[in-house]
Amino acid sequence: DAGVIQSPRHEVTEMGQEVTLRCKLISGHNSLFWYRQTMMRGLELLIYFNNNVPIDDSGMPEDRFSAKMPNASFSTLKIQPSEPRDSAVYFCASSSTDSTEAFFGQGTRLTVV
Amino acid sequence: KQEVTQIPAALSVPEGENLVLNCSFTDSAIYNLQWFRQDPGKGLTSLLLIQSSQREQTSGRLNASLDKSSGRSTLYIAASQPGDSATYLCAVRGSYKLIFGSGTRLLVRP
Repeated sequence: DAGVIQSPRHEVTEMGQEVTLRCKLISGHNSLFWYRQTMMRGLELLIYFNNNVPIDDSGMPEDRFSAKMPNASFSTLKIQPSEPRDSAVYFCASSSTDSTEAFFGQGTRLTVV
Repeated sequence: KQEVTQIPAALSVPEGENLVLNCSFTDSAIYNLQWFRQDPGKGLTSLLLIQSSQREQTSGRLNASLDKSSGRSTLYIAASQPGDSATYLCAVRGSYKLIFGSGTRLLVRP
């Protein structure tokens, strides 16, 4: 398996634009996490899905952020409209259950200017 | 609320030294603890996973221990090499959430 695959690797966008980050899970995994990493706050959990269902979205900063799992192997994280303070590295991770080893993608570095 | 602390924040050692990285957590009700490595500008690579029922795990020159009752884990790196230079993160899993420490930045000098 190629591991967790995220796209794009880098994204530069202007304030106010819509941004969509993509994640392909490892085949057979049914737990999906979106994390955000910044120098100030480290790694923060944004949202957790289990079997395609959002279980915990308490970390989503505000209504500008939304996440979906249209199928068992794919997820998107959308920011609309984007703001400079959204600049960070966004990671997705998957695991086979909610108590086993988690595997992370390479991340998407988002810069909002 | 689970809090994870890693000490030291940064460490610089000469090549060949054995070293220990520390991780502590406040809530002992965990499923497992995972150690990750992160190179600059890269993703997180899983190094070792210790289930709550285990005391330690080993992979090559790495050994991780877990003392759940005292809320502590250590990552031991034997015979360090310049290629070990990276940030090391520990994360504890209670229910489904992975809660991360802020990491230890390791520099191994040739």
